[in-house]
Amino acid sequence: SYVLTQPPSVSVAPGKTAKIPCMGDNIGSKSVHWYQQRPGQAPVVVVYDDRQRPSGIPERFAGSKSGNTATLSISGVEVGDEADYYCQVYDSSTDLYVFGTGATVTVL
Amino acid sequence: EVQLAESGGGLVQPGGSLRLSCAASGFSFSSYYMHWVRQTPEKGLVWVARVNGDGTSIGYEDSVRGRFTVSRDNAKNTLYLQMSSLRVEDTAVYYCARSSRWSIYYFDNWGQGTLVTVSS
Repeated sequence: SYVLTQPPSVSVAPGKTAKIPCMGDNIGSKSVHWYQQRPGQAPVVVVYDDRQRPSGIPERFAGSKSGNTATLSISGVEVGDEADYYCQVYDSSTDLYVFGTGATVTVL
Repeated sequence: EVQLAESGGGLVQPGGSLRLSCAASGFSFSSYYMHWVRQTPEKGLVWVARVNGDGTSIGYEDSVRGRFTVSRDNAKNTLYLQMSSLRVEDTAVYYCARSSRWSIYYFDNWGQGTLVTVSS
């Protein structure tokens, strides 16, 4: 089955840029979506279709792809950005929705 | 405002059954694909099941196929997940989630989740 791999944790200083990678075979051919999940809350989509932001999501959140890696970048990181971040794709070969392993962003 | 509210979670013994409900409001329920997604600390988020707007197209994750049944009642704006032959590894927080109107491939709204515990 299709696997999306993320580092367990990403640490960043306030005001700096956090980069959260999501690695998967041939991910370039799939649309990648990103979710933020704060402790005790439900996930919220912050980027969809690789780089589109839903209304209400700050421009600080940006998605990109290169090779076998998709990346969520959070610029000007704030304490309120501390959360778990998950990437997700739809695998048409298996008709399954696949989530990444999740990365915890810690603001130092 | 879109609202999704899950209910029906609780403690159940292995081999038992449970039915989860998700009450939807604030949007035209019958126009949207709906999903169940579960979460554990060990496995993170795992997609469980999907149903299209009129209930004619359904999909399941491999480990629940044959044990779980997803359905919807558009007259009641409610999504269901009937779970049977429950296993300890089905213990999780279960979320209902809505697909975007323009893309069925991601989830634009989520409920707050309901906890299912399978234990003797």
